[in-house]
Amino acid sequence: GESVGLHLPTLSVQEGDNSIINCAYSNSASDYFIWYKQESGKGPQFIIDIRSNMDKRQGQRVTVLLNKTVKHLSLQIAATQPGDSAVYFCAEPSYGGYQKVTFGTGTKLQVIP
Amino acid sequence: DTGVSQDPRHKITKRGQNVTFRCDPISEHNRLYWYRQTLGQGPEFLTYFQNEAQLEKSRLLSDRFSAERPKGSFSTLEIQRTEQGDSAMYLCASSPGQGPDTQYFGPGTRLTVL
Repeated sequence: GESVGLHLPTLSVQEGDNSIINCAYSNSASDYFIWYKQESGKGPQFIIDIRSNMDKRQGQRVTVLLNKTVKHLSLQIAATQPGDSAVYFCAEPSYGGYQKVTFGTGTKLQVIP
Repeated sequence: DTGVSQDPRHKITKRGQNVTFRCDPISEHNRLYWYRQTLGQGPEFLTYFQNEAQLEKSRLLSDRFSAERPKGSFSTLEIQRTEQGDSAMYLCASSPGQGPDTQYFGPGTRLTVL
């Protein structure tokens, strides 16, 4: 079955530096990925998505890279701010008429002022 | 606010009691999902509605759990005879329902079973 997982459970970054959060997936047929941000006590918030026909997508201060060869994706946050402190999930919607999303454990990003 | 809303935000109950949570999806979103999240874990899928039809239920959804979406708009999740292991954050999400679409989550209902 499909699975998503994260390399590091916690990432500490100095304010102003760039952050890179990594994610591996196992299903080579996966064609759509989403990054969510979850702050303490809140529901996951959509950040950015990417489809398998792309290898890079940029948003506001965020970039997602997809490497289908090694089944890896990453989320890059530029100029990390204290408000970026949260748990970040790489998520994979299943495909088959509906979208059951499979989440990994998550990476906790701590921004050091 | 036009996002997904959930009520209540927090619920404390005694073991054996029944509880019901409500989710109001984003207007005109056809798909509605329930997830459960325990501390330190990612959300786990529970069930899914396409309009008013419940099309998928996870094995996590025991017979003590029931979900409805009677008019294809809001949804309720009921847990009967609650157990301490039911303590978790219950998240609702909705999506437009076109192809591989993005789910938008509500703030969740935090359930504590004493």
